[in-house]
Amino acid sequence: QVQLQESGPGLVKPSETLSLTCTVSGDSISSGYWSWIRQPPGKGLEWIGYIYYTGSTNYNPSLKSRVTISVDTSKNQFSLKLNSVTAADTAVYYCARGAGWYGFWGQGTLVTVSS
Amino acid sequence: QSALTQPASVSGSPGQSITISCTGTSSDVGRYNYVSWYQQQPGKAPKLMIYDVSDRPAGVSNRFSGSKSGNAASLTISGLQAEDEADYYCNSYTSSNNYVFGTGTKVTVL
Repeated sequence: QVQLQESGPGLVKPSETLSLTCTVSGDSISSGYWSWIRQPPGKGLEWIGYIYYTGSTNYNPSLKSRVTISVDTSKNQFSLKLNSVTAADTAVYYCARGAGWYGFWGQGTLVTVSS
Repeated sequence: QSALTQPASVSGSPGQSITISCTGTSSDVGRYNYVSWYQQQPGKAPKLMIYDVSDRPAGVSNRFSGSKSGNAASLTISGLQAEDEADYYCNSYTSSNNYVFGTGTKVTVL
């Protein structure tokens, strides 16, 4: 059974960097693509980007200048960094397996941007 | 990139069939057969219901089916049940080599 678990600070100050890690169990990171998706409170889903286990990435154009997704195959983890955050970045952040369609999701973690 | 357009809400009585539309453009839904659908219960992570327009993952009820015509994709739920009440989102690949979600549809079982 594939399981994903997000971890990281639940509160980030404006202008700082949001950092989250997704730990994968029941599957190898080297099996393929891994994605980040977010959902502002009461709103819809937004694709952030994906990474292939080799390190190749693809980002949402609207976030591209602020986003970095990386992978650590030794720890079976992948990570998200979003810099210069504002209140508009407050959302539940999900990690998921795949690119394009997502068969397995983490439970999501709420990140609030506030001073 | 703009979100794909879905109706805000769709409702039906138990046993009925409902269809949720997902309208895009010739640069996304109309060009590629890479449309997927997700069901999201309150407070839960989304669940994959359909991928590649009409394929169902193992374990998903055959009451859920997907199709596409032109720039619009559709998700049909037949034999509507109380447990189908949830939010539903579509997703498509785009010609810009990225992905876009739909605006979301709240399904209510009357």
